[in-house]
Amino acid sequence: GDSVTQMEGPVTLSEEAFLTINCTYTATGYPSLFWYVQYPGEGLQLLLKATKADDKGSNKGFEATYRKETTSFHLEKGSVQVSDSAVYFCALKSEGGSEKLVFGKGTKLTVNP
Amino acid sequence: DGGITQSPKYLFRKEGQNVTLSCEQNLNHDAMYWYRQDPGQGLRLIYYSQIVNDFQKGDIAEGYSVSREKKESFPLTVTSAQKNPTAFYLCASSPRSWYASYNEQFFGPGTRLTVL
Repeated sequence: GDSVTQMEGPVTLSEEAFLTINCTYTATGYPSLFWYVQYPGEGLQLLLKATKADDKGSNKGFEATYRKETTSFHLEKGSVQVSDSAVYFCALKSEGGSEKLVFGKGTKLTVNP
Repeated sequence: DGGITQSPKYLFRKEGQNVTLSCEQNLNHDAMYWYRQDPGQGLRLIYYSQIVNDFQKGDIAEGYSVSREKKESFPLTVTSAQKNPTAFYLCASSPRSWYASYNEQFFGPGTRLTVL
């Protein structure tokens, strides 16, 4: 079945450092890909998404490119802030109208001043 | 403001009791979902509903039940048959689409259930 694999955390960075969180997936066809963020004690918020190969999703300085050839959707940010400290989830939704999201296990990011 | 509300935020239950978690949305979404979140496990789908009066089991439905009598509401009951119910429960909704897989899911703030 479909699956998502994220790099294991936790990840600890200093403010203004470069961030990469790796995400690879297994799915048939052309799934849609998402990054969600969860701040402590809260629900998930959509950070960005990409719906077809070579699409780049971006929001709040975060970017991720849908790479079909490597089945990847890595999250990047050029300069992280303390306020970016959260748990980040990569997820996919299968092609064909399925409503189910498949999530990775999440990567906890802590940014120190 | 449109959104998803879950209540209560914190819930305590004695072992052997059933408990119902509330989820309401005013986004006019057709589809609704319940997820369970445990530390280090990501989110796992319990039940989902694509239309009123219809719902399907997710990956971990055992010990849970749902109903979908209204479009806006999708309550989850954690029964005494659920062996390890202590977890963070998240409700979500999305517009329904027969073909487009790109519709995002919108999440509520969650309910933390603790069994004493």
